[in-house]
Formats: sequence, structure tokens, C-alpha cells
Amino acid sequence: EAQVTQNPRYLITVTGKKLTVTCSQNMNHEYMSWYRQDPGLGLRQIYYSMNVEVTDKGDVPEGYKVSRKEKRNFPLILESPSPNQTSLYFCASTFSTGPNSPLHFGNGTRLTVT
Amino acid sequence: DQQVKQNSPSLSVQEGRISILNCDYTNSMFDYFLWYKKYPAEGPTFLISISSIKDKNEDGRFTVFLNKSAKHLSLHIVPSQPGDSAVYFCAATNYGQNFVFGPGTRLSVLP
Repeated sequence: EAQVTQNPRYLITVTGKKLTVTCSQNMNHEYMSWYRQDPGLGLRQIYYSMNVEVTDKGDVPEGYKVSRKEKRNFPLILESPSPNQTSLYFCASTFSTGPNSPLHFGNGTRLTVT
Repeated sequence: DQQVKQNSPSLSVQEGRISILNCDYTNSMFDYFLWYKKYPAEGPTFLISISSIKDKNEDGRFTVFLNKSAKHLSLHIVPSQPGDSAVYFCAATNYGQNFVFGPGTRLSVLP
């Protein structure tokens, strides 16, 4: 089954404790991205990657890191999480950038930083 | 400043009637627009899209209209069904470099 898989689904952590949220897709998609969803703000892009070893900042990259060493994986790293990073996170991928190539989303990771 | 706006946080419609969800954008460089539907505890799923060279795209009960001069698009659902109850996100992109999403509209279809 074609899918984007995020882990974990739920995560509670404390300020400053490094964490990684994994994202993997099995569709051979070139483009992958991370979003956070907050009430009233919709989905805001954190980072995106057009291909292996190519990553770029989205609209809200501060406090996050990503890497794209393999085509299928795009982990999101919070080196020193803070309470304002409490949010619902979505990973997404698509085959190529352009028309008729919508994003496929994972089921989300709800992160709470205390 | 939000580049994609959905000014109605919520909308309630009777089953069988038309649902109209609206979206406005500010960036004239956007050339492709999409609508996503999101159920609780799931990721958004793609619903329908439209290229900036068109003014209408239809897929079954779903039709998206684009008015480029007004920088406005709308999603029409006819007839509305209870299973359509979800949060709908409007999104825009400039050749996929950066997908920008609106804040979403929660649609409730009442039986």
C-alpha cells in the first residue's frame, strides 16, 4: 500500500531534550516536506526537500533541522525543543513539483513539549 | 501575513444542499491550487485541484472555481453528504516549490 508513515504518532517530552520524528514514504517520491498545524493558522511548511541531499527552509524553520540522505526518509529533528513547538506535525511527499502532483500526507505526530 | 486565507472558520449545511467553501490568495505568482479534506486523527487527503490557466474543474460532486482577477477560488459540493463533514484546506503553489495552506474551514453536514 502506497503511504507516508510517521513515527511516533504521539510524543510528550521536556524542554531541551533532543528528539527526532521519522518520516518514510514507499512511493519513490522525490519531493518531501514537513508541516505543522496550529489552530487558526492552518498548515505551515517547516522544511522541504526536492531530492536526496537537497533541503530548503519553508515558512517556519526556526528550531528545526532535517536531513535527506535517502530518497524514502525525511526525518525532522528538534535539537532543543521548546513549549512553542507543541503542535501537530505532518510529513508529506509527492512525485514531482508541478500540476497534477498533489501532496500525500502521513497521519500526523502530536508533539507536546513541557 | 497569510498568503492564503479562508475567512470562514466553520460552515454548516443541510444534507442534500450545496456547500460552498471560499478561499482568497494574495500572491499572483501562484499557478496551481488544491483543496484537501481532513478528518480527525488523519492526515489531509487530496480532493481536487485547478491550474491557473483554467477557471473551473469538476470531479463528481466536487467543483472548484477560480477567479484569477479577484484572486479567489471556491469549492462547491453538491449534494452535500454527512460523510463530507471534515476540515477543508485550500492550498496554493508556485510550481510546487512551496505549498502554502489556508487555515481551514470546518464543514458540518447535518442529516
